[in-house]
Amino acid sequence: GENVEQHPSTLSVQEGDSAVIKCTYSDSASNYFPWYKQELGKRPQLIIDIRSNVGEKKDQRIAVTLNKTAKHFSLHITETQPEDSAVYFCAASSWGKLQFGAGTQVVVTP
Amino acid sequence: DAMVIQNPRYQVTQFGKPVTLSCSQTLNHNVMYWYQQKSSQAPKLLFHYYDKDFNNEADTPDNFQSRRPNTSFCFLDIRSPGLGDAAMYLCATSRPLGVGHYEQYFGPGTRLTVT
Repeated sequence: GENVEQHPSTLSVQEGDSAVIKCTYSDSASNYFPWYKQELGKRPQLIIDIRSNVGEKKDQRIAVTLNKTAKHFSLHITETQPEDSAVYFCAASSWGKLQFGAGTQVVVTP
Repeated sequence: DAMVIQNPRYQVTQFGKPVTLSCSQTLNHNVMYWYQQKSSQAPKLLFHYYDKDFNNEADTPDNFQSRRPNTSFCFLDIRSPGLGDAAMYLCATSRPLGVGHYEQYFGPGTRLTVT
């Protein structure tokens, strides 16, 4: 089955700096890679996703890159703000089943 | 305009006493999922339905069962809850948007406490 590794497990950044979270996956059949943000006690919320036929996708301060050959994908958050503090999960999916990474606790300090 | 609804939001049950968690959706999605999420961990898929087809994960304990009587509703039954079953239970739905592409929408979760 699919195995997703996510690094780092915690990330502390100064407000305004960039944050980068990296994930690797094992199953070459995975073709959809969503990123979820989860605040304490709340549901995971989809913030951006990328399909396997695309190398990069941007949405305002958030971008995701995918390297299918190397089987890794990354989340980039620029100009971080305190409200970006949360746990971020990457996931890899084939045919509807998500395999999540272990999560990254992001803390943005003012 | 809630899309994926879970009831109750908080559930307390006694050790060994059966409990049922419910999920409903207004999205008319054909796929529904149940996840278990323990503190500081990622959501773990328990099972999912593709329409009426039930798909159990290999490591889901027999203590966990599910029912989907129609497109809108899905239930998680825990036959004999143990202390280790205390967790957030998340329901999600999705539909195919392209080949192999399913965007999942999560409900708010039910926090289960076992005493």
